Amino acid sequence: ETGVTQTPRHLVMGMTNKKSLKCEQHLGHNAMYWYKQSAKKPLELMFVYNFKEQTENNSVPSRFSPECPNSSHLFLHLHTLQPEDSALYLCASSQDERTPQYFGPGTRLTVT
Amino acid sequence: GQQLNQSPQSMFIQEGEDVSMNCTSSSIFNTWLWYKQDPGEGPVLLIALYKAGELTSNGRLTAQFGITRKDGFLNISASIPSDVGIYFCAGQLVGGSNYKLTFGKGTLLTVNP
Repeated sequence: ETGVTQTPRHLVMGMTNKKSLKCEQHLGHNAMYWYKQSAKKPLELMFVYNFKEQTENNSVPSRFSPECPNSSHLFLHLHTLQPEDSALYLCASSQDERTPQYFGPGTRLTVT
Repeated sequence: GQQLNQSPQSMFIQEGEDVSMNCTSSSIFNTWLWYKQDPGEGPVLLIALYKAGELTSNGRLTAQFGITRKDGFLNISASIPSDVGIYFCAGQLVGGSNYKLTFGKGTLLTVNP
């Protein structure tokens, strides 16, 4: 399944580092999403973009900064993260905000 | 906010057995989805249901969306080792400005060969 790709697959960063996660979808979808998946918690929606416009920011701390340059690409810029931000970060896309979402493989982030 | 209560949390079964899991909610959803997540991977969409009471099969998988649009179940028949993973239910509201997916906490399925 290569519809939604994410890089890197694994990332270890210090609390003072700046890094970016990348997501690309090859499905011709118009909506893209960032989710955080922590152990023993339901998937948490972070951001929603529809036709490149941000339509949802689910009270995410400013140390997470999304960017959507076009409908196929989505970035999550990270800076001054905390250890509790360690999690699997999942990107998803859908035709529009009403249709089922398809997920990428995720980036396993560890903040030391 | 909306919550989905998924059960059981985990299941240990023998290869060849049938499996059943379900989710309930106090909220009404327009769309009901089932995903499977393998270790180290993202969730993969298994089945999407759109109508109250809808019953759908996909190979060995059978899922139904409750008549009240507040619950759903997933059955797996004749389980095989590759069925191992975490299964998530998800409900989506379609209307107004709220299109968010709400996920259950998942059912961890282990299949013993």
